[in-house]
Order: sequence, then structure tokens, then C-alpha cells
Amino acid sequence: DTAVSQTPKYLVTQMGNDKSIKCEQNLGHDTMYWYKQDSKKFLKIMFSYNNKELIINETVPNRFSPKSPDKAHLNLHINSLELGDSAVYFCASSRRGTPQEQFFGPGTRLTVL
Amino acid sequence: DQQVKQNSPSLSVQEGRISILNCDYTNSMFDYFLWYKKYPAEGPTFLISISSIKDKNEDGRFTVFLNKSAKHLSLHIVPSQPGDSAVYFCAAENSGNTPLVFGKGTRLSVIA
Repeated sequence: DTAVSQTPKYLVTQMGNDKSIKCEQNLGHDTMYWYKQDSKKFLKIMFSYNNKELIINETVPNRFSPKSPDKAHLNLHINSLELGDSAVYFCASSRRGTPQEQFFGPGTRLTVL
Repeated sequence: DQQVKQNSPSLSVQEGRISILNCDYTNSMFDYFLWYKKYPAEGPTFLISISSIKDKNEDGRFTVFLNKSAKHLSLHIVPSQPGDSAVYFCAAENSGNTPLVFGKGTRLSVIA
């Protein structure tokens, strides 16, 4: 059983398009995250949701909008895609509190042409 | 501003020998440190952690050492096995107040 799953695994699209990446966790965790790993390999947090409520929103363009229909799902919508959005996006989840031993999904490689 | 630095992008070690991966941090408010391991085409997986009140934590072949005065931690893997070949990320947090901050990772290759 996959603990944290993401779809799609690969996404190739044109500049200006709108796309979504879905994430689901079956661990019963109440906190979920989106990370971006750019070409320099830095893994940076974008958003964090706790029980469907946004608790962290790092400096991310407002073209990126997370949506959490329930605490097992955290989807990422990206509008007006730009070349610089090309990266690997990871979803993760954890139990609330410390330590933040997060469980990561396999990643979605987004390529914007 | 890199708060967590892994200055060695890669490391090669012979099977059976010790692998030492290093990590430095700049934020003295960090009080919890973690190591994640990542295989190609997979997400990072949690490996081992250490609280700032300790200087050592051991789990099987993996030991993490923390030197708070030097703001340095290291991950020791002994003996190294080919299956340990992966990218290792160091991460740090200020308990519950900040999100995890990751280093750039070190690619470990264990040669049989």
C-alpha cells in the first residue's frame, strides 16, 4: 500500500497552461505539505496544511494554490505556468507536532516548455 | 541564505567501510535535526533524527552526531552497503515554529 501517492508522476505542458497535481495519504496524518525541488536540488517548502487549514504559506507566487478537500488530500493547482515552474514537486504528510518526521510521495516532475 | 549546508555534493566509499556525511547549520534556534535518504524517482524517506539536547543517536548501522557549539552534525553509516547508495538530505527545524529546512543533499555511492 502506497502511503503518500501523487499523480501524475510526470507532467509536460506549455507555458501559460493551468495544471493540477494531486496528493493523497492513507497514513491518517493530519498535516500535509507541498515542496518544490528546483534545478539546484534545494528542497523547499511551499505550503503546509493542518486538518484542511493552511498553516504555512512560504513566498510562493499566487499562481500556486493548494486545495485540501479533506485531511487525506492536498492538491496543488498552478495557473499560467512559467518556464521557471519546471521542477520536481513533492507532497508529504506527518503527524502534528514534533518531530516532523515527514513521509514523502514519489514526486511529480513538471516540465514547462 | 542557506541555513542548512551540505558542502559535499558527492561521496564514494568502499563497501564495508564507514561513510561520513556532514551537515552545517547557521540558525542557532534549530533544535531538531533529521536525515532523509532519497533513491532516484522516489521521495525522501526519513532515516534518523536527533534532538538538540543530545549529542548522539544510534539506530543500527546509522549514527548521527551533533556538535551544537560548532553547529555541525554528521551521519555515520557503518558498515556501508551498496544499498546505501542514495542522496542523503540533512534537515533542521525549530520545534513546531518553522518548517523543515533542507540541505542540498549529498550523493553517496557505495562501491562493491
